[in-house]
Amino acid sequence: GAVVSQHPSWVICKSGTSVKIECRSLDFQATTMFWYRQFPKQSLMLMATSNEGSKATYEQGVEKDKFLINHASLTLSTLTVTSAHPEDSSFYICSALTDFGYTFGSGTRLTVV
Amino acid sequence: AQRVTQPEKLLSVFKGAPVELKCNYSYSGSPELFWYVQYSRQRLQLLLRHISRESIKGFTADLNKGETSFHLKKPFAQEEDSAMYYCALSPTDSWGKLQFGAGTQVVVTP
Repeated sequence: GAVVSQHPSWVICKSGTSVKIECRSLDFQATTMFWYRQFPKQSLMLMATSNEGSKATYEQGVEKDKFLINHASLTLSTLTVTSAHPEDSSFYICSALTDFGYTFGSGTRLTVV
Repeated sequence: AQRVTQPEKLLSVFKGAPVELKCNYSYSGSPELFWYVQYSRQRLQLLLRHISRESIKGFTADLNKGETSFHLKKPFAQEEDSAMYYCALSPTDSWGKLQFGAGTQVVVTP
């Protein structure tokens, strides 16, 4: 139980376009989800905390207008990378806190060309 | 601010040998500590949490508050233990946030 489904698993986009990443809780309700970013050979860095029905809380240094987070329902949080640039290329991972602990999505590999 | 340090980027051991992954943390309060594992092409999954005090897949980890450490140990490594291991801390005053260490790649050779 407590599975988080993340889509797409990989995406390639042109510089200047926007990309939406979805994170769904399949068999539980997630009032809070977390978005992480992972650079190659580096650790996961928390970007923001997504709260259902309210604004996301961003970590210091993360641009709110660049990384738009929407958590409109108890089972879906989305991260939109707006006006993507090559430096936004990274691995993005969502997570939710359940009764059994944190559960993670499978991640999205974003490549901006 | 909290910090999690995993000093070893890569740990190569022979099958059957003991393995220990080091994790040190800095946090002013009483944190909750975790070990996560990521096998090749799979998602991150929980291996251990210090409050549960269990042994999963032969791994154990003891929280040493005096040394601010949470080292992960297994007496006899298996090839299937080859993976990336992350130590993580959840501060008690920032519910839900996880601070990850840099990770240690474990390679178990036959």
